[in-house]
Amino acid sequence: GAGVSQTPSNKVTEKGKYVELRCDPISGHTALYWYRQSLGQGPEFLIYFQGTGAADDSGLPNDRFFAVRPEGSVSTLKIQRTERGDSAVYLCASSLQLPTDTQYFGPGTRLTVL
Amino acid sequence: GNSVTQMEGPVTLSEEAFLTINCTYTATGYPSLFWYVQYPGEGLQLLLKATKADDKGSNKGFEATYRKETTSFHLEKGSVQVSDSAVYFCALSAGDTGRRALTFGSGTRLQVQP
Repeated sequence: GAGVSQTPSNKVTEKGKYVELRCDPISGHTALYWYRQSLGQGPEFLIYFQGTGAADDSGLPNDRFFAVRPEGSVSTLKIQRTERGDSAVYLCASSLQLPTDTQYFGPGTRLTVL
Repeated sequence: GNSVTQMEGPVTLSEEAFLTINCTYTATGYPSLFWYVQYPGEGLQLLLKATKADDKGSNKGFEATYRKETTSFHLEKGSVQVSDSAVYFCALSAGDTGRRALTFGSGTRLQVQP
Protein backbone atom coordinates (compact mmCIF):
# COMPACT_ATOMS: atom_id res chain seq x y z
CA GLY A 1 0.00 0.00 0.00
CA ALA A 2 0.94 3.66 -0.12
CA GLY A 3 3.50 4.87 2.37
CA VAL A 4 3.81 8.20 4.15
CA SER A 5 3.96 11.07 1.69
CA GLN A 6 5.22 14.59 2.25
CA THR A 7 4.89 17.74 0.17
CA PRO A 8 6.71 19.65 -1.06
CA SER A 9 9.89 17.60 -1.37
CA ASN A 10 11.93 20.82 -1.40
CA LYS A 11 11.09 24.30 -0.16
CA VAL A 12 13.28 27.36 -0.50
CA THR A 13 12.17 30.48 1.31
CA GLU A 14 13.54 33.76 2.54
CA LYS A 15 14.24 34.67 6.13
CA GLY A 16 11.14 35.98 7.85
CA LYS A 17 8.64 34.20 5.58
CA TYR A 18 5.92 31.72 6.61
CA VAL A 19 5.97 28.10 5.40
CA GLU A 20 3.67 25.11 5.59
CA LEU A 21 4.80 21.52 5.24
CA ARG A 22 2.28 18.75 4.62
CA CYS A 23 2.22 15.10 5.67
CA ASP A 24 -0.13 12.34 4.48
CA PRO A 25 0.18 9.34 6.82
CA ILE A 26 -0.45 5.71 6.00
CA SER A 27 -4.18 5.04 5.88
CA GLY A 28 -5.48 3.80 9.22
CA HIS A 29 -2.52 5.03 11.25
CA THR A 30 -3.78 7.02 14.24
CA ALA A 31 -0.39 8.24 15.43
CA LEU A 32 1.59 10.87 13.52
CA TYR A 33 5.01 12.32 14.33
CA TRP A 34 7.13 15.21 13.09
CA TYR A 35 10.92 15.16 13.34
CA ARG A 36 13.66 17.48 12.13
CA GLN A 37 17.01 16.25 10.79
CA SER A 38 19.96 18.55 10.43
CA LEU A 39 22.89 17.62 8.21
CA GLY A 40 24.99 14.84 9.69
CA GLN A 41 22.65 14.32 12.64
CA GLY A 42 19.92 11.95 13.64
CA PRO A 43 16.29 13.07 13.52
CA GLU A 44 15.05 15.11 16.49
CA PHE A 45 11.48 14.84 17.72
CA LEU A 46 9.17 17.83 17.33
CA ILE A 47 5.56 16.78 17.99
CA TYR A 48 3.31 13.72 18.20
CA PHE A 49 -0.41 13.44 17.43
CA GLN A 50 -2.78 10.73 18.52
CA GLY A 51 -5.85 11.29 16.38
CA THR A 52 -6.57 15.01 16.12
CA GLY A 53 -4.88 16.12 19.30
CA ALA A 54 -1.24 16.87 20.00
CA ALA A 55 -0.31 14.33 22.67
CA ASP A 56 3.28 15.54 23.05
CA ASP A 57 4.65 18.82 21.68
CA SER A 58 7.69 18.96 23.94
CA GLY A 59 10.10 18.97 21.00
CA LEU A 60 8.86 22.16 19.33
CA PRO A 61 11.81 24.57 19.65
CA ASN A 62 9.76 27.76 20.13
CA ASP A 63 6.39 29.34 19.45
CA ARG A 64 7.21 29.98 15.79
CA PHE A 65 6.51 26.29 15.19
CA PHE A 66 2.98 24.95 15.18
CA ALA A 67 1.31 21.80 13.80
CA VAL A 68 -2.28 20.74 13.21
CA ARG A 69 -4.12 17.58 12.30
CA PRO A 70 -7.75 18.70 12.14
CA GLU A 71 -9.38 15.51 10.84
CA GLY A 72 -7.01 12.97 12.30
CA SER A 73 -5.30 12.19 9.01
CA VAL A 74 -3.28 14.82 7.12
CA SER A 75 -1.05 17.05 9.21
CA THR A 76 0.51 20.43 8.48
CA LEU A 77 3.63 21.79 10.17
CA LYS A 78 3.65 25.58 10.16
CA ILE A 79 6.71 27.74 10.71
CA GLN A 80 6.36 31.49 11.16
CA ARG A 81 9.08 34.09 10.66
CA THR A 82 11.55 31.53 9.38
CA GLU A 83 15.21 31.80 10.37
CA ARG A 84 18.30 30.42 8.65
CA GLY A 85 18.70 27.98 11.55
CA ASP A 86 15.37 26.37 10.59
CA SER A 87 17.02 24.91 7.48
CA ALA A 88 16.82 21.11 7.77
CA VAL A 89 14.95 18.08 6.49
CA TYR A 90 11.55 17.79 8.15
CA LEU A 91 10.40 14.20 8.49
CA CYS A 92 6.94 12.86 9.14
CA ALA A 93 6.20 9.38 10.45
CA SER A 94 3.03 7.47 11.25
CA SER A 95 2.17 4.35 13.19
CA LEU A 96 -0.67 2.28 14.56
CA GLN A 97 -1.93 2.86 18.07
CA LEU A 98 0.33 0.87 20.39
CA PRO A 99 3.55 2.37 21.83
CA THR A 100 5.60 -0.50 20.40
CA ASP A 101 4.18 -0.15 16.89
CA THR A 102 6.72 0.70 14.21
CA GLN A 103 6.97 4.28 12.99
CA TYR A 104 7.07 4.50 9.19
CA PHE A 105 8.83 7.54 7.79
CA GLY A 106 8.11 9.68 4.78
CA PRO A 107 10.81 10.94 2.38
CA GLY A 108 10.98 14.32 4.09
CA THR A 109 10.78 17.96 3.05
CA ARG A 110 14.10 19.74 2.65
CA LEU A 111 13.63 23.33 3.88
CA THR A 112 16.21 25.93 2.98
CA VAL A 113 15.92 29.41 4.47
CA LEU A 114 18.02 31.97 2.64
CA GLY B 1 16.57 12.32 29.78
CA ASN B 2 16.82 9.63 27.15
CA SER B 3 19.87 9.46 24.92
CA VAL B 4 21.52 7.18 22.37
CA THR B 5 25.23 7.02 21.63
CA GLN B 6 26.57 5.22 18.59
CA MET B 7 30.02 4.85 17.16
CA GLU B 8 31.19 7.55 14.83
CA GLY B 9 31.74 6.85 11.19
CA PRO B 10 32.46 6.45 8.53
CA VAL B 11 33.06 2.74 8.83
CA THR B 12 34.78 1.41 5.72
CA LEU B 13 34.80 -2.34 5.08
CA SER B 14 35.57 -4.68 2.24
CA GLU B 15 32.80 -6.84 0.85
CA GLU B 16 32.16 -10.00 2.93
CA ALA B 17 33.74 -8.48 6.06
CA PHE B 18 32.08 -8.71 9.49
CA LEU B 19 30.25 -5.62 10.66
CA THR B 20 29.66 -4.30 14.17
CA ILE B 21 28.17 -0.87 14.88
CA ASN B 22 28.05 -0.11 18.59
CA CYS B 23 25.03 1.50 20.22
CA THR B 24 24.47 2.25 23.90
CA TYR B 25 21.54 4.03 25.47
CA THR B 26 20.34 5.84 28.57
CA ALA B 27 16.65 5.67 29.39
CA THR B 28 14.22 5.36 32.25
CA GLY B 29 11.97 2.34 32.39
CA TYR B 30 12.03 -0.30 29.68
CA PRO B 31 12.52 1.22 26.25
CA SER B 32 12.01 -0.40 22.88
CA LEU B 33 15.12 -0.32 20.70
CA PHE B 34 15.42 0.12 16.95
CA TRP B 35 17.87 0.25 14.09
CA TYR B 36 16.84 2.41 11.14
CA VAL B 37 18.74 2.62 7.84
CA GLN B 38 18.92 5.45 5.32
CA TYR B 39 20.13 4.39 1.88
CA PRO B 40 21.50 7.10 -0.44
CA GLY B 41 18.66 9.24 -1.77
CA GLU B 42 16.01 7.35 0.21
CA GLY B 43 14.02 7.87 3.41
CA LEU B 44 14.50 6.23 6.79
CA GLN B 45 13.50 2.57 6.91
CA LEU B 46 13.14 0.33 9.92
CA LEU B 47 15.80 -2.39 9.79
CA LEU B 48 15.00 -4.27 13.00
CA LYS B 49 13.67 -3.79 16.51
CA ALA B 50 13.51 -5.39 19.96
CA THR B 51 10.94 -4.51 22.57
CA LYS B 52 12.23 -6.25 25.70
CA ALA B 53 15.45 -7.37 27.32
CA ASP B 54 17.27 -10.31 25.68
CA ASP B 55 15.13 -10.06 22.53
CA LYS B 56 17.05 -10.37 19.28
CA GLY B 57 15.89 -8.39 16.29
CA SER B 58 16.95 -9.60 12.84
CA ASN B 59 16.39 -8.69 9.20
CA LYS B 60 18.34 -8.98 5.92
CA GLY B 61 21.22 -10.74 7.69
CA PHE B 62 21.53 -8.01 10.33
CA GLU B 63 21.06 -8.80 14.02
CA ALA B 64 21.00 -6.88 17.29
CA THR B 65 20.35 -8.13 20.84
CA TYR B 66 18.74 -5.99 23.54
CA ARG B 67 21.20 -6.13 26.48
CA LYS B 68 19.73 -4.42 29.52
CA GLU B 69 22.72 -5.17 31.75
CA THR B 70 25.07 -3.26 29.43
CA THR B 71 22.39 -0.89 28.04
CA SER B 72 23.47 -1.82 24.54
CA PHE B 73 21.96 -2.77 21.19
CA HIS B 74 24.91 -3.38 18.88
CA LEU B 75 24.23 -4.04 15.19
CA GLU B 76 26.03 -6.97 13.53
CA LYS B 77 26.21 -8.64 10.14
CA GLY B 78 28.39 -11.57 9.27
CA SER B 79 29.15 -10.67 5.66
CA VAL B 80 28.45 -7.19 4.30
CA GLN B 81 27.68 -6.36 0.68
CA VAL B 82 28.23 -3.21 -1.35
CA SER B 83 24.45 -2.70 -1.26
CA ASP B 84 24.62 -2.33 2.55
CA SER B 85 26.36 1.03 2.14
CA ALA B 86 24.10 3.47 3.98
CA VAL B 87 23.73 5.48 7.18
CA TYR B 88 22.55 3.46 10.19
CA PHE B 89 20.69 5.03 13.11
CA CYS B 90 20.12 3.47 16.52
CA ALA B 91 17.00 4.72 18.29
CA LEU B 92 14.85 4.14 21.34
CA SER B 93 11.26 4.68 22.31
CA ALA B 94 10.35 4.80 25.99
CA GLY B 95 6.87 3.56 25.22
CA ASP B 96 6.12 2.19 28.65
CA THR B 97 6.50 5.64 30.21
CA GLY B 98 3.98 7.07 27.77
CA ARG B 99 6.54 8.98 25.75
CA ARG B 100 6.45 7.59 22.22
CA ALA B 101 8.88 9.91 20.49
CA LEU B 102 11.94 8.19 19.06
CA THR B 103 15.30 9.36 20.34
CA PHE B 104 17.99 8.81 17.69
CA GLY B 105 21.73 8.52 17.75
CA SER B 106 23.74 10.67 15.38
CA GLY B 107 24.10 7.92 12.77
CA THR B 108 26.99 5.82 11.48
CA ARG B 109 27.88 5.88 7.80
CA LEU B 110 28.92 2.49 6.40
CA GLN B 111 30.88 2.27 3.18
CA VAL B 112 31.43 -1.18 1.71
CA GLN B 113 34.05 -1.48 -1.00
CA PRO B 114 34.04 -4.26 -3.62
